[in-house]
Amino acid sequence: NSKVIQTPRYLVKGQGQKAKMRCIPEKGHPVVFWYQQNKNNEFKFLINFQNQEVLQQIDMTEKRFSAECPSNSPCSLEIQSSEAGDSALYLCASSLPGVEQYFGPGTRLTVL
Amino acid sequence: AQKVTQTQTSISVVEKTTVTMDCVYETRDSSYFLFWYKQTASGEIVFLIRQDSYKKENATVGHYSLNFQKPKSSIGLIITATQIEDSAVYFCAMRATSSGQKLVFGQGTILKVYL
Repeated sequence: NSKVIQTPRYLVKGQGQKAKMRCIPEKGHPVVFWYQQNKNNEFKFLINFQNQEVLQQIDMTEKRFSAECPSNSPCSLEIQSSEAGDSALYLCASSLPGVEQYFGPGTRLTVL
Repeated sequence: AQKVTQTQTSISVVEKTTVTMDCVYETRDSSYFLFWYKQTASGEIVFLIRQDSYKKENATVGHYSLNFQKPKSSIGLIITATQIEDSAVYFCAMRATSSGQKLVFGQGTILKVYL
């Protein structure tokens, strides 16, 4: 069973609405990742953090997507204005630096 | 840019047999890491096994082992004594040192194990 906790498991939003999902990484893992998996099983890296600092992010993330990993609080990924194309499984993963990543169960976002 | 390719869309095997799933990768990095994950029907993604590029020995964990052929940029996953519970989608992934810590995934291979 995943030690990475993601909430909510399912999220339904209308177009233009905000969508926010949360992640609690595995205890002791300083690195946190967000990926998007579409209906064709394709993974897209969105952003990652190490100890609350952004390490890498893609251009898409810099516009409608925002994310943070504050200390002593869950990490979060928020889509400011949801679009139909954002419907996907959003996966949070955590790791020690440089080794395998462990994934949470994901948040399945449906944008109507 | 890094790329990972899994050409087998779906494989079906009888329980208790051995199956091999193929994966080829592209990178210009001399140091990189290769991973296999499986995604169950519930959507859960489970880490299975890892191969570091500088290691010549093939990694083995339980009934999973790897066939690492560096000159061919190939990292095959071998599952011995397959069980019904091994039915899942298997993803090959790579982390290249120059790309930070993000993973690049292949398209996935569906494995169906039947009685």
